[in-house]
Amino acid sequence: NAGVTQTPKFRILKIGQSMTLQCTQDMNHNYMYWYRQDPGMGLKLIYYSVGAGITDKGEVPNGYNVSRSTTEDFPLRLELAAPSQTSVYFCASARDRREKLFFGSGTQLSVL
Amino acid sequence: DQQVKQNSPSLSVQEGRISILNCDYTNSMFDYFLWYKKYPAEGPTFLISISSIKDKNEDGRFTVFLNKSAKHLSLHIVPSQPGDSAVYFCAVFSGNTGKLIFGQGTTLQVKP
Repeated sequence: NAGVTQTPKFRILKIGQSMTLQCTQDMNHNYMYWYRQDPGMGLKLIYYSVGAGITDKGEVPNGYNVSRSTTEDFPLRLELAAPSQTSVYFCASARDRREKLFFGSGTQLSVL
Repeated sequence: DQQVKQNSPSLSVQEGRISILNCDYTNSMFDYFLWYKKYPAEGPTFLISISSIKDKNEDGRFTVFLNKSAKHLSLHIVPSQPGDSAVYFCAVFSGNTGKLIFGQGTTLQVKP
């Protein structure tokens, strides 16, 4: 049972480059989330989705985009990477909005 | 303006003793509270939750207490074990926004 799978685990980007963080879940969850965690800080919500075709902004959406074409996949796109986007990114899914979140193992991203 | 605060960045306890992790929140409308545990290089995993209609919930060595009048949440681990060494995040569910808000985390170290 894979749960939530994120790729890649590590990535180094140069300023101005773009990349997509992949997230897929095999639990048929409707709700999916992208969080970022900065040192000494809690998890900040970037974007979320309540089902295929529906996405919405979280607390810190600037510089990111998402899409949700299937129930399973919720990729996060970084356009024009900036040093402020250096962080650990977590994807999560849940059966419903009040249900516990299942997290992926994270992507450590450095923008230099 | 942090709506959820974990004021102790770190806590160190001896194996076999009690660990108490604390969390304060600002909005009395929050009605569902969760604790997550995170090991290095892994995503957070759900530990225990409590609804606002209760003041205590127990699961094995883990007990969560809720003091609504003080807007305070605590996690007790008894007895503490070295394998409990991790970062613990409290999270509150906002019915208004439908999202989870995370605290900054407390790093627990349990010494053998």
